[in-house]
Amino acid sequence: DIQMTQSPSSLSASVGDRVTITCRASQDIGSWLAWYQQKPEKAPKSLIYAASGLQSGVPSRFSGSGSGTDFTLTINSLQPEDFATYYCQQYNTHPLTFGGGTKVEMK
Amino acid sequence: QVQLQESGPGLVKPSDTLSLTCAVSGYSISSTNWWGWIRQPPGKGLEWIGYIYYSGNTYYNPSLKSRVTMSVDTSKNEFSLKLSSVTAVDTAVYYCARKTSGYYPFEYWGQGALVTVSS
Repeated sequence: DIQMTQSPSSLSASVGDRVTITCRASQDIGSWLAWYQQKPEKAPKSLIYAASGLQSGVPSRFSGSGSGTDFTLTINSLQPEDFATYYCQQYNTHPLTFGGGTKVEMK
Repeated sequence: QVQLQESGPGLVKPSDTLSLTCAVSGYSISSTNWWGWIRQPPGKGLEWIGYIYYSGNTYYNPSLKSRVTMSVDTSKNEFSLKLSSVTAVDTAVYYCARKTSGYYPFEYWGQGALVTVSS
């Protein structure tokens, strides 16, 4: 299985901050990488597909980059509604696997 | 607007079979998409269980493959999950989701259904 390692596992930030979350795959996955946002008691919401594609309706302050094994999710100017847990997921190879999550908390 | 809704028993006894159904509205299940299941134990991360194509082709997570069966009912526009021989570690919120074919991940998700395995 491809292991997806996210860092950090949690971070504290303030409204207006720029936040960066990284995701590393244990082997090359090309650009088959997605990012999801999950709020408590809610289903995950797709933010980014194919490493850098912005899902329809997602604010442009979210962006993704990377290819191969190293990926980044950036949130520019963090907003109150962005405090949540973020997961990366590879969909290059079965079984599909998720990172362990990064919880973005209010400082 | 694509909507997915899970349904099924919220409590299952150990060694029994967990059964969930996902009703799809606003979109035909007989399309070029994969219909999947993902679970999340309380306070933990996400685990892909598997998915099924409208034609019946399936991919299952090898860690669960021996216990998982997925099926599609195009007449009802729904798909289903069965997980046999459950134990407490199978307690989780179970999500159904649609993965668009090609370069896209799981774009549409159900709200999730908590299934507790307990006697």
